[in-house]
Amino acid sequence: DTGVSQDPRHKITKRGQNVTFRCDPISEHNRLYWYRQTLGQGPEFLTYFQNEAQLEKSRLLSDRFSAERPKGSFSTLEIQRTEQGDSAMYLCASSPGQGAYYSPLHFGNGTRLTVT
Amino acid sequence: AQTVTQSQPEMSVQEAETVTLSCTYDTSENNYYLFWYKQPPSRQMILVIRQEAYKQQNATENRFSVNFQKAAKSFSLKISDSQLGDTAMYFCAFIIQGAQKLVFGQGTRLTINP
Repeated sequence: DTGVSQDPRHKITKRGQNVTFRCDPISEHNRLYWYRQTLGQGPEFLTYFQNEAQLEKSRLLSDRFSAERPKGSFSTLEIQRTEQGDSAMYLCASSPGQGAYYSPLHFGNGTRLTVT
Repeated sequence: AQTVTQSQPEMSVQEAETVTLSCTYDTSENNYYLFWYKQPPSRQMILVIRQEAYKQQNATENRFSVNFQKAAKSFSLKISDSQLGDTAMYFCAFIIQGAQKLVFGQGTRLTINP
């Protein structure tokens, strides 16, 4: 168990640029989750995958956001035309079996995005 | 709407003291799990303890225990014999049965002073 890995740890970008984050879950975990955490707040759910299928998306995930998990392993989260309001910590988590209700989530260290 | 409220933005205690963090939640569901997660300065969120709503007995994990009051929708965390390594943000969260989405509170920043 090497843990959930996220890359990069920090990303600074200018408004209007596109950014992509990567998450490598624990290898045997079939469920993968993305959360967003703004300063002073708790994480907010963005989306989740079971294997390669994206099964739920939050209203927070506007059409500028897209997430993929092409082979049911790693996942990417892309933000197009970034806005200053996108500045946040983006957390990835994974879970085995039937998912978050039955098995606690394992979180990565997050990617901190700053949009200038 | 399902919400979690942590009314203490910050707390500070001396090492070895006992501290209690408060959490209330709102849901119309009957079956759910409640969690306390810890987020140290290194940022990785770690599960501290969890409680199934149908269990009346309060969960305990070493120095960590909860006081679960289902009727009051209250779920507080007690840390006994606090240690410097307990310094972190603590988040209360819950998930309803069959769902995949955790709902988190705003967090409590806990500082343990030497």
